[in-house]
Amino acid sequence: EVQLVESGGGVVQPGGSLRLSCAASGFTFQNYVMHWVRQAPGKGLEWVSLISGDGGSIWYADSVRGRFTISRDNSKNSLYLQMNSLGTEDTALYYCVKGSGWITDFWGQGTLVTVSS
Amino acid sequence: DIVMTQSPESLAVSLGERATINCKSSQTLLYSVNNKHSLAWYQQKAGQSPKPLIYWASTREPGVPDRFSGSGSGTDFTLTISSLQAEDVAVYYCQQHLHTPSFGGGTKVEIK
Repeated sequence: EVQLVESGGGVVQPGGSLRLSCAASGFTFQNYVMHWVRQAPGKGLEWVSLISGDGGSIWYADSVRGRFTISRDNSKNSLYLQMNSLGTEDTALYYCVKGSGWITDFWGQGTLVTVSS
Repeated sequence: DIVMTQSPESLAVSLGERATINCKSSQTLLYSVNNKHSLAWYQQKAGQSPKPLIYWASTREPGVPDRFSGSGSGTDFTLTISSLQAEDVAVYYCQQHLHTPSFGGGTKVEIK
């Protein structure tokens, strides 16, 4: 059974940093693209970032490029999102998502990030 | 960037009736390598994470009931629920997967 369990969310002040983690199980992690997608409270879905199975290809949304860094550790079946220079517009539920290219096929339950003073 | 526009924002349909959701992209979603359209649909029930329903515009994910169907081409696409069930109450999103993903704004489906 595929499982994606996000952690690391919390309350952070504007300008602060946070590192999200996603623990994957139930599939061969290194063979799959992984995404981060976020959803602001009561709003729609916004794609954030993608990393290829070997970590060699990375893409970011314009809204986070230069502030967020996606990475993965295939030896630990884990995905990460380092978020710096956080603003109130980054407040959202962050989903870890398994993919096949740009197609997604399984979403975790999310971890909530709140940027507030 | 490809902009995705969904309509309507919400709709109320009687149990057993058809629900139709539209999605329009700002450019063609035709993927020339396989001649298929790079459009996916998701269902998000209250308090849950999104569940993939359809990709390549019309291919259902395993386990998705056949009352859900996707159609369309070019820039115009449709998700149809042929006979609405109570468990289909949710927000539905379209997403282009031609390149860096973008989502429509969502359509809330309720029971009339």
